[in-house]
Amino acid sequence: DGGITQSPKYLFRKEGQNVTLSCEQNLNHDAMYWYRQDPGQGLRLIYYSQIVNDFQKGDIAEGYSVSREKKESFPLTVTSAQKNPTAFYLCASSSGGNNQPQHFGDGTRLSIL
Amino acid sequence: DAKTTQPNSMESNEEEPVHLPCNHSTISGTDYIHWYRQLPSQGPEYVIHGLTSNVNNRMASLAIAEDRKSSTLILHRATLRDAAVYYCILRDGSYNTDKLIFGTGTRLQVFP
Repeated sequence: DGGITQSPKYLFRKEGQNVTLSCEQNLNHDAMYWYRQDPGQGLRLIYYSQIVNDFQKGDIAEGYSVSREKKESFPLTVTSAQKNPTAFYLCASSSGGNNQPQHFGDGTRLSIL
Repeated sequence: DAKTTQPNSMESNEEEPVHLPCNHSTISGTDYIHWYRQLPSQGPEYVIHGLTSNVNNRMASLAIAEDRKSSTLILHRATLRDAAVYYCILRDGSYNTDKLIFGTGTRLQVFP
């Protein structure tokens, strides 16, 4: 079945470590997104990419980095500069263009040890 | 970005209709109204969207007020699987930002 796969489901990070969250899609979508969700809150956009080898900052990009070397993959690195990384991270994709629905993965829950 | 206002929570009994309201008094002429829902520990799921006319799909119906300052998501027969947080979101259709701005949504509880 086509869809978005995020891994791992749970991730633990030590202070000062960088960690990378994986997001893969086989929907042939051009656009991909990373969101962060804190308890009881809505999602906030970290980064998005509308085409391979190009990406833009969202509302809360500080302390995060991304790459888009392949259409299917959009990994997110949470760097040590992100002071409050504990959150639920969601990846999404869409076919691009105005008002196309975004399809979400099941998320990665990141915690600090 | 135009904002939406939704009740924090609503309750329903199974097999009854549910009307989830959303106010968006500052909506612009090019803003589409989108609805997503999120089950516990899962990513959001697209439900429906519309611009001016009422819309129906297999999941729900969307009723849009004539002045477009409010809308209502209608679940015709609630099931236990419909218990989720429902988000009403405005998306600007005039240019390709692909940006969804989530509020805190309405938590729907469904009782057997």
